[in-house]
Amino acid sequence: DGGITQSPKYLFRKEGQNVTLSCEQNLNHDAMYWYRQDPGQGLRLIYYSQIVNDFQKGDIAEGYSVSREKKESFPLTVTSAQKNPTAFYLCASSVTSITYNEQFFGPGTRLTVL
Amino acid sequence: GENVEQHPSTLSVQEGDSAVIKCTYSDSASNYFPWYKQELGKGPQLIIDIRSNVGEKKDQRIAVTLNKTAKHFSLHITETQPEDSAVYFCAASRNYGGSQGNLIFGKGTKLSVKP
Repeated sequence: DGGITQSPKYLFRKEGQNVTLSCEQNLNHDAMYWYRQDPGQGLRLIYYSQIVNDFQKGDIAEGYSVSREKKESFPLTVTSAQKNPTAFYLCASSVTSITYNEQFFGPGTRLTVL
Repeated sequence: GENVEQHPSTLSVQEGDSAVIKCTYSDSASNYFPWYKQELGKGPQLIIDIRSNVGEKKDQRIAVTLNKTAKHFSLHITETQPEDSAVYFCAASRNYGGSQGNLIFGKGTKLSVKP
């Protein structure tokens, strides 16, 4: 069953703590993306990766970090430097990011900072 | 910078009526325009997309039109059903960091279809 999985579905964090969100895909896609979604807002790009061992900052990268050590995995760390981390986080993948093509989304992780 | 404006932000229709959502984009280099449907608590799913060499595309009750000169594109849903109720996002491709596959999204339209 091919697709993108994100875990956990809900995550609670205390202020000042770092937290890592998981994203895995078995679609054999080269490109992966992280978006942040706030109520009434569109999806804003945090980081993207065109290929293994490469990643680029998106529009709102401050306070976040990523790694891409394996093709199928693209974890996102929300650091204590992120001033307003409570949001719905979406991971996506596509065959490539070099040219335009469909992005497939995971089910999302809702992060709440207590 | 690049921007995608989407209207309306909320739309309520009676079952069986048509719904139209409109988007405008700013980057004249954009050439791919997908539409996503997001149900509550889930990730967005692609419902239809259009490329810049096409003016209209239809898939059953859903159609998308594109006017590159005016830089706007629209989603049309006919014979709406309660299961069409969701948030719909438009997007446009952009050249970001040397990658043409990135998307910029509109803020979404919450569609409610009343039985």
